[in-house]
Amino acid sequence: AQKITQTQPGMFVQEKEAVTLDCTYDTSDPSYGLFWYKQPSSGEMIFLIYQGSYDQQNATEGRYSLNFQKARKSANLVISASQLGDSAMYFCAGGNSGGYQKVTFGTGTKLQVIP
Amino acid sequence: DTGVSQDPRHKITKRGQNVTFRCDPISEHNRLYWYRQTLGQGPEFLTYFQNEAQLEKSRLLSDRFSAERPKGSFSTLEIQRTEQGDSAMYLCASSLDLGGRGDNEQFFGPGTRLTVL
Repeated sequence: AQKITQTQPGMFVQEKEAVTLDCTYDTSDPSYGLFWYKQPSSGEMIFLIYQGSYDQQNATEGRYSLNFQKARKSANLVISASQLGDSAMYFCAGGNSGGYQKVTFGTGTKLQVIP
Repeated sequence: DTGVSQDPRHKITKRGQNVTFRCDPISEHNRLYWYRQTLGQGPEFLTYFQNEAQLEKSRLLSDRFSAERPKGSFSTLEIQRTEQGDSAMYLCASSLDLGGRGDNEQFFGPGTRLTVL
């Protein structure tokens, strides 16, 4: 089973600046995937980005990039050029091989973007 | 709207009553998941279905909880004899499993917020 750790309960970032949200994971499975989700105050979970354990390059999706360091078992989310609409809870999640049917979530980081 | 839908969005009930929630996944998705999220926490996995088969259940899913997906489309989650500790957001998600590919992101519904008085 995966264990996901997010050590930052809350973060502040100035609008237009970049911010890094930390995530570490622990798994014994050689094949796994890591996800980041955004949860605004309205409650819906929005998929942001995915990184597979065998992917050679770090994943990127628009302003989101995943800094994947396998040796350190970290999968940090980098948001560039922060916008006010980025204020939300951010959850790191991980699943083991076989289609990631059971995804384990971290406790989340609340990001607040300051104008 | 072709996303995941859940009904009801809010449910207030008295302790000891039974409640049932419904989830309609994205139509072509063959996997359906249920999660529970309490305040300040990330979602916790409850169970998942591959088509109509319930393939895994968390230990969090006590005897009072039952989930079904009778025709491989919509799913219901029933909680019998509700307790105050059952108060939470119940999230449903769906995904398309393409036979072992790993990047099958889960699309979440808006959730059902349950309050047990």
